[in-house]
Amino acid sequence: ETGVTQTPRHLVMGMTNKKSLKCEQHLGHNAMYWYKQSAKKPLELMFVYNFKEQTENNSVPSRFSPECPNSSHLFLHLHTLQPEDSALYLCASSQELGEGNEQFFGPGTRLTVL
Amino acid sequence: GQNIDQPTEMTATEGAIVQINCTYQTSGFNGLFWYQQHAGEAPTFLSYNVLDGLEEKGRFSSFLSRSKGYSYLLLKELQMKDSASYLCAVRDGNYQLIWGAGTKLIIKP
Repeated sequence: ETGVTQTPRHLVMGMTNKKSLKCEQHLGHNAMYWYKQSAKKPLELMFVYNFKEQTENNSVPSRFSPECPNSSHLFLHLHTLQPEDSALYLCASSQELGEGNEQFFGPGTRLTVL
Repeated sequence: GQNIDQPTEMTATEGAIVQINCTYQTSGFNGLFWYQQHAGEAPTFLSYNVLDGLEEKGRFSSFLSRSKGYSYLLLKELQMKDSASYLCAVRDGNYQLIWGAGTKLIIKP
């Protein structure tokens, strides 16, 4: 257990569905991240939040919409996804942004888009 | 562009030693991380290097040479539970983490 939880662990959705991924960290960290992990590819950083403010949006399509209501919770709202969006979506947190701050990862949501 | 290179897959024998290499080309450098990821699980932090040299933590050691853009993770006395993917990540000059694709390590009895 890393102190970061994600729900659901698995999700199958059609291209016209709307769903949300949830992440919660119990570590008192100030920074939270969404990553996409596809097979045999590097982790792709999607969004970064620091003290609830979005500091990074790495050219992510608008069909992915993040929400950070407080420092402990992070959501990723999904709508009209494409089959190529099927991947493992990982949430992570760190004490602060910047040098030396290791990231703690949740177990991920395995997303399949039909 | 920025990139991290590490071997895709390695095989080693239980009880032996294995070295996983990572080379990087980034705009600036603010530290290098190694993470372990078992299949279907979250990546977990193993080590952090920001200065040249060797950092030892039990059976695992990590080495960094900033002038060569090179790091390695050394695993000693391999156990079956060490079968996992090992991810190298570099924090660049803008403090962004750049990730390698990971090295899948297979341990054979």
